[in-house]
Order: sequence, then structure tokens, then C-alpha cells
Amino acid sequence: AQSVTQLGSHVSVSEGALVLLRCNYSSSVPPYLFWYVQYPNQGLQLLLKYTSAATLVKGINGFEAEFKKSETSFHLTKPSAHMSDAAEYFCAVRGNNDMRFGAGTRLTVKP
Amino acid sequence: EAGVAQSPRYKIIEKRQSVAFWCNPISGHATLYWYQQILGQGPKLLIQFQNNGVVDDSQLPKDRFSAERLKGVDSTLKIQPAKLEDSAVYLCASSLGTSGRGSTDTQYFGPGTRLTVL
Repeated sequence: AQSVTQLGSHVSVSEGALVLLRCNYSSSVPPYLFWYVQYPNQGLQLLLKYTSAATLVKGINGFEAEFKKSETSFHLTKPSAHMSDAAEYFCAVRGNNDMRFGAGTRLTVKP
Repeated sequence: EAGVAQSPRYKIIEKRQSVAFWCNPISGHATLYWYQQILGQGPKLLIQFQNNGVVDDSQLPKDRFSAERLKGVDSTLKIQPAKLEDSAVYLCASSLGTSGRGSTDTQYFGPGTRLTVL
């Protein structure tokens, strides 16, 4: 079985500051890991995914994440936050058939 | 290309009533998923189809929930009878290829149906 834990249900940053959203995973098989973003009243949109190639994965909108097996982590970062980044972010892991999502982290960007 | 379509977008019913949701996946996508997203939680998979066959329905409350994808294209999720705890957003997603173990196919999500049970 697999699961993810997102540390911090709410994160607030100032515009232009570093964004760091934390995700730790548990999986009995080598995992595939995903970050999705959800804007209000919309479905989820894929930001990036780790599929056992490069450990540093670059995604859309300037986001990237690094797979660290020793720490069982897959944290999402962006060097400089923009107001449009305000949304809910979900980390997900896929080991066997189904995808397991974390509870989400709501990112607020202050002007 | 057109995205995943869902209807209705919002539905309010009273407990013990029935409700149905419809999903049309991206054209050509073999795999279709239904998720339940309760407020403050991440999506939870209810059922997964590959073409018109069920791959995984282990988390579907089968005493009240049912789903079908008869022609391997669009799908309907039904709740009968609804309970208060069914209030949630029901998300449909689709992916291009197979859904087997180790699949890294990107899932594309629809906008969801927000269900309120009073």
C-alpha cells in the first residue's frame, strides 16, 4: 500500500518569496509521484511527475520537485511566488493500480 | 482538444434521494476514474474503468453507489439513496493508456460536480 503526507495544510508566502510545499510518501514498491494544483471550482491539473528518471523534475509555471529516496520526500518548490500561484496543491503517489492523494496544502500569496 | 466534461456542476438533494452524475472523457482515452473529494481532503478513488471494464472498485460503497461505462466512452455514477456524508465534489478523470501497475499516464480531471445532501 502507498500513502502521502503533506506537512502543513496552509502555507502563506509573500509575492516574490520562495515557495516550499512538503510531501512525504510511503510505498512498498518504487513509487511514481505527482504534484497537482487545483484552482477554485476547477478540477486538478498536473504540475509535474516523477517516473524514476531524473530525481529533479521540472514542471509547469516554474515549479520543480526533487525526489529524495533516503528521506522519502518529494517537496515542491518555486523560487519566486506569483499571485496567480494561490491555489490548493496535492501530492500523490502511485504504486499499484490506484493513485493516493494527500490532504492538500492551500497556498496563499500576499502582495 | 476538449477536456473532460462533467454535468451537472452543482446538485442539491435531500437525504434518501437518488442522484446521478455524468462524465465524458477526453476522446480516445481508455481509462476513466471517478473520485470523491470531501471538503478539506484529497480526492479518493471510487472506481476505475479501462474501456468498459472495471479495473478497481474496492473503495466504492456498493450498497448505495453504482457506476457504468457501457460503451467504453462516457460514464454515469449514481448514488441511491444518498446520505449526509455523501456531500462532496465528485471528480471524473481520464487517461490515455492502460491503467495497470506502474502506469505513469497523466490523469486529466474534469471540473467536478459539487453535491450537497441536506
